[in-house]
Amino acid sequence: DAGVIQSPRHEVTEMGQEVTLRCKPISGHDYLFWYRQTMMRGLELLIYFNNNVPIDDSGMPEDRFSAKMPNASFSTLKIQPSEPRDSAVYFCASSFRPGAGQGAGELFFGEGSRLTVL
Amino acid sequence: DAKTTQPNSMESNEEEPVHLPCNHSTISGTDYIHWYRQLPSQGPEYVIHGLTSNVNNRMASLAIAEDRKSSTLILHRATLRDAAVYYCILSLTGTASKLTFGTGTRLQVTL
Repeated sequence: DAGVIQSPRHEVTEMGQEVTLRCKPISGHDYLFWYRQTMMRGLELLIYFNNNVPIDDSGMPEDRFSAKMPNASFSTLKIQPSEPRDSAVYFCASSFRPGAGQGAGELFFGEGSRLTVL
Repeated sequence: DAKTTQPNSMESNEEEPVHLPCNHSTISGTDYIHWYRQLPSQGPEYVIHGLTSNVNNRMASLAIAEDRKSSTLILHRATLRDAAVYYCILSLTGTASKLTFGTGTRLQVTL
């Protein structure tokens, strides 16, 4: 399997523009996660899905952020309008549903999308 | 929520064992202990996880204290490729799939 695939790898945009980040999870995985990483705040969980349904979006910073998972093989994270403080590396990760009594399933991360908002 | 505490940084010489500590004094009885690491310019990768018993895999060993209030990730022979940030994370009861990363320990490995 190719692993979790994210695009674009790098995005530079101007403040106010719409940004769409894409993720293809590993085939057969039940869970999909979006994380954001900055020097100041480290790795933050933004939202995660189970079987394409959003389970917890409490980490989404504000209404400018939205995430969708229209099918099991694709998810998007959209920022509209973007702001300089949104500059970060955005990671997508996927995992199998863990077996009973096994803790969290192993997360497989993509290589990340580095976003710079000028 | 139960939290973990790790040293900000550690250093090791190549070919020597490394013991990375993690404190989780408020851990609940069914919370699992997970370790991930993040190499430079990459996404985090799974290392190991456990509940009560010590665990071994090809990457590392996990030693869990009897009272489960602390654990230690053991790299048996550090190499330069092990230089990374190591995260100790609890998967909390009822949110088994949600992992919240802390600041981790930055491990430097020198020749």
